[in-house]
Amino acid sequence: DADVTQTPRNRITKTGKRIMLECSQTKGHDRMYWYRQDPGLGLRLIYYSFDVKDINKGEISDGYSVSRQAQAKFSLSLESAIPNQTALYFCATSKGSTHEQFFGPGTRLTVL
Amino acid sequence: DQQVKQNSPSLSVQEGRISILNCDYTNSMFDYFLWYKKYPAEGPTFLISISSIKDKNEDGRFTVFLNKSAKHLSLHIVPSQPGDSAVYFCAASRTGTASKLTFGTGTRLQVTL
Repeated sequence: DADVTQTPRNRITKTGKRIMLECSQTKGHDRMYWYRQDPGLGLRLIYYSFDVKDINKGEISDGYSVSRQAQAKFSLSLESAIPNQTALYFCATSKGSTHEQFFGPGTRLTVL
Repeated sequence: DQQVKQNSPSLSVQEGRISILNCDYTNSMFDYFLWYKKYPAEGPTFLISISSIKDKNEDGRFTVFLNKSAKHLSLHIVPSQPGDSAVYFCAASRTGTASKLTFGTGTRLQVTL
């Protein structure tokens, strides 16, 4: 089955450490997204990418950076993690200008 | 500024009955709306959507109603089943804005036996 995968699924790290979360997809979609979910706040967009050469900031990009290594791979980095970046992180994909997005299983990140 | 609101954090419904989940939005530029379902330890999965040119869309047990004048949409699940127990997110987008979705805060539905 065409899928969206995220690694790692769980990560505990310390304040100040650099962390990379990875997303891969076999759906053949061109657009990819990173969201974070916090309790009571729903999902908020961090970054999105139309293709390898097109990366855009979302609603809450401060403290994050991304890299689109290939059409199928989109990684999220926290250069210097802080405790309020503790959250669930989701990667998503979509095809062209369609509205429907398909989500990976999420990464639970804890910053101590 | 929460542009998409789900004012009920939780809802409990008996198996076989109707579940109604509500969502309100403030941005009149939104023209496409989606519902996602999320189980614990999984990502959200797309359930059903509706364009602003329609006021109703059905898919099996799931129906979404859109009231543009009230900026309100609802998801009806009939009949409710225990497997429907999950968190439901409403999301909205504008055509031409890169498929950026604005999500509500979610409603946890519990379907009891």
